[in-house]
Amino acid sequence: AQKVTQAQTEISVVEKEDVTLDCVYETRDTTYYLFWYKQPPSGELVFLIRRNSFDEQNEISGRYSWNFQKSTSSFNFTITASQVVDSAVYFCALSEAKSGNTPLVFGKGTRLSVIA
Amino acid sequence: NAGVTQTPKFQVLKTGQSMTLQCAQDMNHEYMSWYRQDPGMGLRLIHYSVGAGITDQGEVPNGYNVSRSTTEDFPLRLLSAAPSQTSVYFCASSTLQGISSPLHFGNGTRLTVT
Repeated sequence: AQKVTQAQTEISVVEKEDVTLDCVYETRDTTYYLFWYKQPPSGELVFLIRRNSFDEQNEISGRYSWNFQKSTSSFNFTITASQVVDSAVYFCALSEAKSGNTPLVFGKGTRLSVIA
Repeated sequence: NAGVTQTPKFQVLKTGQSMTLQCAQDMNHEYMSWYRQDPGMGLRLIHYSVGAGITDQGEVPNGYNVSRSTTEDFPLRLLSAAPSQTSVYFCASSTLQGISSPLHFGNGTRLTVT
């Protein structure tokens, strides 16, 4: 069965620090998709990135970067030079692409607080 | 662009009451789902649907019913509310039956059962 573990429940950093949010996943499928979502204090869920299991290239989008390593079953998220607006709960999620339709399974989330 | 619309935003129920949480999307998405979010538990899947007339159970389906009579709507019914159902409920939809497409979420319904 698929499983996502976000071991960091809460992280607090000072503005401009770099911070990495960890995500470890479990799946028996060889084809799967990994996602990150952001939930700011306003409560909505915002899609950040999708990565498929065949693409291990790291991705950078502005201050955000993602490190996908199949060898360690990890899909970590780094925010460089953090800002107060980055304060949110971040969820990692996994979807298996086996036959049928496998819904998205979420980790429990990491609450990031960026202090000015 | 309305996207995914959930109503109501807030609701207070007494134990034993029934109600329906509404969810509608205008993106012609085949896949729709309901999650509940509880502190420290992340998002847990209640029910999902891959098209009109097709529904399936998620991780925590007990106490909830769903139906999918149209592509646009996916209501969640609580037949007899219990305090354990106090939560924030999110409806989400996507194309490609949710496997590889990002989910589009509604803004949530905060439900309190007393």
